[in-house]
Amino acid sequence: KQEVTQIPAALSVPEGENLVLNCSFTDSAIYNLQWFRQDPGKGLTSLLLIQSSQREQTSGRLNASLDKSSGRSTLYIAASQPGDSATYLCAVMNTGGGSYIPTFGRGTSLIVHP
Amino acid sequence: DGGITQSPKYLFRKEGQNVTLSCEQNLNHDAMYWYRQDPGQGLRLIYYSQIVNDFQKGDIAEGYSVSREKKESFPLTVTSAQKNPTAFYLCATQPRAENYGYTFGSGTRLTVV
Repeated sequence: KQEVTQIPAALSVPEGENLVLNCSFTDSAIYNLQWFRQDPGKGLTSLLLIQSSQREQTSGRLNASLDKSSGRSTLYIAASQPGDSATYLCAVMNTGGGSYIPTFGRGTSLIVHP
Repeated sequence: DGGITQSPKYLFRKEGQNVTLSCEQNLNHDAMYWYRQDPGQGLRLIYYSQIVNDFQKGDIAEGYSVSREKKESFPLTVTSAQKNPTAFYLCATQPRAENYGYTFGSGTRLTVV
């Protein structure tokens, strides 16, 4: 059974820092990996989707990498801003079974203070 | 605007009542999902449906029921058998292919009063 772990669980940094959030998974037979952002009391907003054949995806100040062989993905946030404060979750979609249901990590709660 | 609409945003349930949470989508996605989110816990799958008139139990289906009569709609009923229903409920959709990701609605917060 796939297990997804996100470290750290919480992070507090000053504005302007470059950040790395980690997501590790136990089963490398995946279709894709998706990073989400969740603001308090809101739904999840998709940030980046990396297919299993890709190594990375970029959107603005965000860059997500994928290393299937080591079971790792990182989300890099450049020049962090207070508006980046949120919980970041990763979700891994496994192959097999015919049901495209991802396994979610518990998230990293990020606070960027001015 | 294409998207997912969850309603209501806030819902209060009395003991012994059934309540229904609405999830409507105009993305033309085949699959729809219901998750429950509790503080300090990850997302837990309640039910999912990959085609109309068919749905499957997730990890925590007890005390919940669903229907999928239309592609656009996947309502979730929280029955009186669900003993601890206070939580944040999220609906998600996905095109019917493994290389597409999920899209989430804005959620419904259910509180037992």
